[in-house]
Amino acid sequence: ETGVTQTPRHLVMGMTNKKSLKCEQHLGHNAMYWYKQSAKKPLELMFVYSLEERVENNSVPSRFSPECPNSSHLFLHLHTLQPEDSALYLCASSPSATRGEQYFGPGTRLTVT
Amino acid sequence: GESVGLHLPTLSVQEGDNSIINCAYSNSASDYFIWYKQESGKGPQFIIDIRSNMDKRQGQRVTVLLNKTVKHLSLQIAATQPGDSAVYFCAENYEGSGNTGKLIFGQGTTLQVKP
Repeated sequence: ETGVTQTPRHLVMGMTNKKSLKCEQHLGHNAMYWYKQSAKKPLELMFVYSLEERVENNSVPSRFSPECPNSSHLFLHLHTLQPEDSALYLCASSPSATRGEQYFGPGTRLTVT
Repeated sequence: GESVGLHLPTLSVQEGDNSIINCAYSNSASDYFIWYKQESGKGPQFIIDIRSNMDKRQGQRVTVLLNKTVKHLSLQIAATQPGDSAVYFCAENYEGSGNTGKLIFGQGTTLQVKP
């Protein structure tokens, strides 16, 4: 498979559940990103990883916990979420964390009940 | 703070016509810009980019124009087709991002193509 893939594509979870989102990039890139996309709002950058090191945490609540075991994989661990966390979560990668276009996955549509 | 915005939330055009989607940015230090297309149920798709040392860049059926004097960016789509219906985002990268390629996104313009 090519490009950036994300699983699952859809997720419904209760506020007490723990779940994880997975992202994999097949582009040989060194940087990976998590974004949140809510209706009527611009994309919000959550986390940036460069060569498996977190280089940016954009004031994201601790109920979101990222993990980057290698430059091809990125996870977003979720626990005790709130209904307002329901959104489309997008993963992206780029050749470098300093410059260049970012390529996005299809996203995970998350609904918190 | 800095922001990237688009002038119109929705643009409706006739199939075959040319489309122009506009974007204004506020940070004169921005030196890299990207246009993305997002179709329903999909992630944003890279269309074209431009650096601040250029005024114009052309791709297949698309042209991006950059006017640094008025901090304005536009995306022109020639001979618009039904498959062009989507939300279009502009994004900017600026020196204040430090060592991360932090892109600032606008809210998006929905392009509707009428048959």
